[in-house]
Order: sequence, then C-alpha cells, then structure tokens
Amino acid sequence: AAGVIQSPRHLIKEKRETATLKCYPIPRHDTVYWYQQGPGQDPQFLISFYEKMQSDKGSIPDRFSAQQFSDYHSELNMSSLELGDSALYFCASSHLTRSGNTIYFGEGSWLTVV
Amino acid sequence: GENVEQHPSTLSVQEGDSAVIKCTYSDSASNYFPWYKQELGKRPQLIIDIRSNVGEKKDQRIAVTLNKTAKHFSLHITETQPEDSAVYFCAASSPRGQAGTALIFGKGTTLSVSS
Repeated sequence: AAGVIQSPRHLIKEKRETATLKCYPIPRHDTVYWYQQGPGQDPQFLISFYEKMQSDKGSIPDRFSAQQFSDYHSELNMSSLELGDSALYFCASSHLTRSGNTIYFGEGSWLTVV
Repeated sequence: GENVEQHPSTLSVQEGDSAVIKCTYSDSASNYFPWYKQELGKRPQLIIDIRSNVGEKKDQRIAVTLNKTAKHFSLHITETQPEDSAVYFCAASSPRGQAGTALIFGKGTTLSVSS
C-alpha cells in the first residue's frame, strides 16, 4: 500500500538559511499534519491542513510556514534556521471516515542545521 | 489544549513477561487514542488504537484499555519479545476545527525486553 512520502530524507543547512520540506500524503487522504521531533523527544505538532485549508496550529515558530496544494501535497518552509531547528520532521496524513481518522506517518526528513 | 502524560518513561522486562504503559489525558472531549511504536530514527508506527465508544481492544499480544471517567488509557503487551524493544508513544486527539484533529503525544516510554 502507498505510504506518506517525504522529501528530502536528509538535509543539511547553515544557520540563517532557508529549507523546504515536501510531503505527499497517502492517496485519497485529505488531511496533512506536520510534526517536529527532537532527539529523545516526543513528536511536537506544528500545523495541519484539511482540504487545502489550515485546520489546526500547534507550536510552529513564526519563521516557519506551510501550505497544502491542489494535489494535496504539502510543503513546510523554514526560514532563518537556528541550530535548535535540527530535528526529524514528520509529515502524516489521514482521511476522515465514519469511524474516525487514523493517522499515518511518513519516514521523516532529517534536518541538520550547522 | 490537550495534555497527555505517560508513565513510566523507561520499562525493562524479561522476555515473556508482560509490559504495561499508562497514559492520562486532560481534555474530556478527546475521543481517539492511538499507540505508536517508534524505533530509533524511524517513523512512529501505529500498533493499536481505541475510540471513546469502546472500553477495550485487543490485537494478538497487544491490548488497550480506556477509562473515560478517569481519563486514562493503558497499553498491555503480553509475552514480550526482544523485538518489542522500542519507544512507545500514546496519543490523544479531540475534535478541533474540521477533520484535521491533531494528535498530542505523551513523552514516550522506552521499553527494553531482555532475553
């Protein structure tokens, strides 16, 4: 079965640079979520989109922005990168059904800021 | 907003023993409680979930129980095996906005199963 696809898998950036992560949800999934997971930490919810509209916002820094496009893929844009932004970024997707929405995670994108 | 607490943070058991991980949540409107298993550097993988209209769910060696009144839910793993060693996260979500109900995670439990 198709899974959530994230790219790039690994990314190295310098401080103050900009990075863009991409996410392709499972086909027919209408909701995308972004999570940030630091070393030894639990995944922290950043932002989510439902049918291309922002549906929920978590602890996303003002330096970050995201959007969901007409083909349902999503991009997370991170500017003025800081060392503390180094983390594993997960995208997840779900489809709301009568029994609820089960959320599936992608493999993640490793961002290292040096 | 929702707050999920998870205990214990580490758990060591012998192969064949049972393991129990407990979580509490704060938002009484939360209605979906999944458990994820995460190996080092890999994605969280859904192992079992329960919705608020059910008190218990079982899938082979894994079971989850939910007490809505007390706002806590637990993961039970029986006959543990070394390959069960990983970090386990509980999570909760409540209806917010439209369909994009975000999961809020507990801090995780590192389970070590020794043979």
